Parts: sequence; C-alpha cells; structure tokens
Amino acid sequence: AQKVTQAQTEISVVEKEDVTLDCVYETRDTTYYLFWYKQPPSGELVFLIRRNSFDEQNEISGRYSWNFQKSTSSFNFTITASQVVDSAVYFCALGVDAGKSTFGDGTTLTVKP
Amino acid sequence: DTAVSQTPKYLVTQMGNDKSIKCEQNLGHDTMYWYKQDSKKFLKIMFSYNNKELIINETVPNRFSPKSPDKAHLNLHINSLELGDSAVYFCASRPTGEPYNEQFFGPGTRLTVL
Repeated sequence: AQKVTQAQTEISVVEKEDVTLDCVYETRDTTYYLFWYKQPPSGELVFLIRRNSFDEQNEISGRYSWNFQKSTSSFNFTITASQVVDSAVYFCALGVDAGKSTFGDGTTLTVKP
Repeated sequence: DTAVSQTPKYLVTQMGNDKSIKCEQNLGHDTMYWYKQDSKKFLKIMFSYNNKELIINETVPNRFSPKSPDKAHLNLHINSLELGDSAVYFCASRPTGEPYNEQFFGPGTRLTVL
C-alpha cells in the first residue's frame, strides 16, 4: 500500500522568509513517481513538479526547489524568499504503475506581508 | 480552450435528491479520475477509469456511480444525497504509460447538501 505523509498541517511565515514543506512517502514499488501540486485560494489544483524514483537529482525552478532523498523516503519542497502569492495548500503525491495516485493531506502555507 | 471541464461549478441540493456532475477532457488522455475534497482540504481518490474501464474503486458508498460513455468523459452520479456528501469534487485526467504523468485537474464542483 502507498502512503504519503505531510506532517505539517499549517505553516505561517512572513514574506521573504524561506520555508520548507516536508513530504515522506511509503511504497514497496521500486518504480514510482512523486509530485507536488499547489492549490491557491481560488481552488484549482496546479501541477508543480514530477520526479521518478531513479532520479535523485535536486531541482530548482526560480524560487522553488525540491530535495528528493530515497534514503529517507522524502521529497521536500522549499520556497526561497516567500511571497504572499505563495499562500496556498500544497499537496505531495505518489504515483505507481497501477494508476493510483496517493495524495498527502496537504500543508496550508500562509505568507504574511 | 479548457483542458478539463466540469459542470456544474456549484450545486446546491436537498438531502435525498439525486444529482450528476459531468466531466470532459479534450487532452486525449486515457485515464480519468474523481476525487473528493472535504472541508479540511483532504483530497481522496474515489474512482479511476482507463479507456472507459473502471480500474480504481475506493471505499465509496454505492450511492456514487461513475459512468464513462467514452474516453473523454467521466460523469459522477450520486443517489440519495446526504449531508456528508457536501464537498468539492474534482475530476482529473492523465495520459497513461511511462513516465507516470501528472494529472490535470478540472476546476472542481462545489456540492452543498442542505
């Protein structure tokens, strides 16, 4: 069975602070994919990144960066110099070949001006 | 050009009624999903179809019945609505195969049962 744990239910930071959202996953599959999605207050779900289990390279996209560590089964997401527009619910998800995606419970990030 | 669309966007109804939510994707994807997001923002998969065949059926009351008339459509019919069915329902789609691709979500349907 697959499981995704986002232990941080809510995080509040002040603008320009760096913030890391944690994601820990469980799966017995050797091939799997990890995702992050963003859900802003407007409600839509927006894809941010996909990583496969064979690629542990960290990724940076502007102020966003992702740290994938198989040894700790973690796929953490860092926002550098946070902005008010980063306020959203962030979901980490795990996908395996059976077609099922398992989502974490989400982390609500509030960035205050 | 909306990729994944859902109708209606809002649905307010009385307990005991039957209602349907429609979903259409114009991305040519093989797999479609229904998710339920409750008031705490928890996102739970309900169903998944691949090429019109049901492949995932989570523990969902049988009052919920998905129907996929073709690859581009996945509708959700709910019988005898209950208060606990109030939630936002998201439809999603993704292309099948390697790599395991991300899902494209519809805008959601906010269902309120009174």
